Amino acid sequence: QVQLVQSGAEVKKPGASVKVSCKASGYPFTSYGINWVREAPGQGLEWVGWISTFSGNKKYAQRYQGRVTMTTDTPTTTAYLELASLTSDDTAIYYCTRDPTPDYWGQGTLVTVSS
Amino acid sequence: DIQMTQSPSSLSASVGDRVTITCRASQGIINYLAWFQRKPGQAPKSLIYGASNLERGVPSKFTGSGSGTDFTLTISSLQPEDFATYYCQQYHSYPWTFGEGTKVEMK
Repeated sequence: QVQLVQSGAEVKKPGASVKVSCKASGYPFTSYGINWVREAPGQGLEWVGWISTFSGNKKYAQRYQGRVTMTTDTPTTTAYLELASLTSDDTAIYYCTRDPTPDYWGQGTLVTVSS
Repeated sequence: DIQMTQSPSSLSASVGDRVTITCRASQGIINYLAWFQRKPGQAPKSLIYGASNLERGVPSKFTGSGSGTDFTLTISSLQPEDFATYYCQQYHSYPWTFGEGTKVEMK
């Protein structure tokens, strides 16, 4: 069955970077893109960006441009989200989900940014 | 960006009730709309894609309808496991955007 399994919770200091992984299984990895979505405390759901697992093309939300990097590793069927220059505003649960429709979601990765 | 306006933000209902949630897009999105359910501490669970298509394994008590800018999600007979928060989301264009959610609580 289709599964997206994310890496565990992270605690980072302001200014640091975090890299979250999303391992896909149960389907042809390069047939579906990966979107990343986050939910900060008291905030709604927010799209972070998309990566094509086939071509590597990417689209990032404007507010993250310059400090977000999305990558994939086809042999391990894993997608990665890296976010740099973290601030407390980046404290959130980060989810990966498939594209073009968000039919399957990872379990979420809590990233806490605290000094 | 396309704004998604969902209503109501919360509702109280009883087991067996029929519940309807609405979602309006700030511009036409054809039928590129998904509905999903969230429970505390759990990942979102996709219910409907393409405005009206049930995801595999989702019971037929969930019905989605609409096109263009106005959409609805109906739960025909509310069961205890249906008390949760429901979200709409457009995937017509990037950035994906989400409704604010509708919390369905037990009366």
